[in-house]
Amino acid sequence: QKEVEQDPGPLSVPEGAIVSLNCTYSNSAFQYFMWYRQYSRKGPELLMYTYSSGNKEDGRFTAQVDKSSKYISLFIRDSQPSDSATYLCAMSETSGSRLTFGEGTQLTVNP
Amino acid sequence: DVKVTQSSRYLVKRTGEKVFLECVQDMDHENMFWYRQDPGLGLRLIYFSYDVKMKEKGDIPEGYSVSREKKERFSLILESASTNQTSMYLCASSFPLRSFSNYGYTFGSGTRLTVV
Repeated sequence: QKEVEQDPGPLSVPEGAIVSLNCTYSNSAFQYFMWYRQYSRKGPELLMYTYSSGNKEDGRFTAQVDKSSKYISLFIRDSQPSDSATYLCAMSETSGSRLTFGEGTQLTVNP
Repeated sequence: DVKVTQSSRYLVKRTGEKVFLECVQDMDHENMFWYRQDPGLGLRLIYFSYDVKMKEKGDIPEGYSVSREKKERFSLILESASTNQTSMYLCASSFPLRSFSNYGYTFGSGTRLTVV
């Protein structure tokens, strides 16, 4: 069983839709949770990060962490075609230490 | 504005060749990492380094070695390339534990290696 599970999709939505991306994990020592966005033929770039449980909002993006359920989510409001990318969840036990990634979810936002 | 630079975007090598993948970062990060990314498998950690001349095995180190002679440079070496090492290779760097305000990695653009 993988340490971090993420539905690979693909996920296709119309422009303006609310998108929900999710990951589950098994390692209760994870404390730092991140979402990366990867455009085609590019390296991943950090989109959101949170420490421990709770919510964090940044513009159209909201990250949620529920450590009791070992479940994290990324919500994208008013999705745009420019949001079309692969979204990877990642987590670590300590800041700056090795990250464990989910497989990534491929998202397409159709105009 | 490039912060993590990987020497090649695309590389084609023959089976049995020794292959060097170079990564340089200009952010004064202590930590550096090498991942490979494959469809259906996601990113898997090959090797990482928390300091100069220091290296640690990741989850899939077999067939690879690394070198970190300078803080800014982390090289991945395929000792004898095989077709199952055809993949996208991603280098990343980060600040260490003490820098609580600096989460996450900065990735390079990747090297797509094909072994024929």
